[in-house]
Amino acid sequence: RKEVEQDPGPFNVPEGATVAFNCTYSNSASQSFFWYRQDCRKEPKLLMSVYSSGNEDGRFTAQLNRASQYISLLIRDSKLSDSATYLCVVTSGGSYIPTFGRGTSLIVHP
Amino acid sequence: NAGVTQTPKFRVLKTGQSMTLLCAQDMNHEYMYWYRQDPGMGLRLIHYSVGEGTTAKGEVPDGYNVSRLKKQNFLLGLESAAPSQTSVYFCASRPRQGGQPQHFGDGTRLSIL
Repeated sequence: RKEVEQDPGPFNVPEGATVAFNCTYSNSASQSFFWYRQDCRKEPKLLMSVYSSGNEDGRFTAQLNRASQYISLLIRDSKLSDSATYLCVVTSGGSYIPTFGRGTSLIVHP
Repeated sequence: NAGVTQTPKFRVLKTGQSMTLLCAQDMNHEYMYWYRQDPGMGLRLIHYSVGEGTTAKGEVPDGYNVSRLKKQNFLLGLESAAPSQTSVYFCASRPRQGGQPQHFGDGTRLSIL
């Protein structure tokens, strides 16, 4: 089982839709969780950190479920500009090395 | 407000040539990383450093060397470039304290002919 798994998609949704991605992780000692956005051939950019109580930033909501070992990202009112690959990143306590998922591709169409 | 800066942005090499990619960060971060990303694939860690003068191997270190002589700089060297090293290379840095995200440079696109 891979340490961090994501559905590669693509998720193809119309503008205005709500879409959610999940990311599962295998190491129960994982302590830090992030969602990054990566546009084609560009660098990954931090979208948001994921906190235990869940957190929201505008149209984006992140949740952590430690019992089931997954994090989620919900995007409301999708925009064309949300089209990108969304990377899940997990770091275990005491580890120097974050573990990246392969990413979920989102395509928002008119 | 530079953050993480990579040079060069693009480079074309012939097989067997050598070159060095430079990563510089102005955020006083202790940890620095070099990744490669190939089409349709995720990020793969080449080497990383947890402080000035220290380096360690990542997932795909073969064919690469690194140095961290100054805290703000992390150099990635290709001694004898091979076509299999054609890729996009990303550098990242983050602070030592736990729970902090990585910050990425905008990448170096390298083609080996």
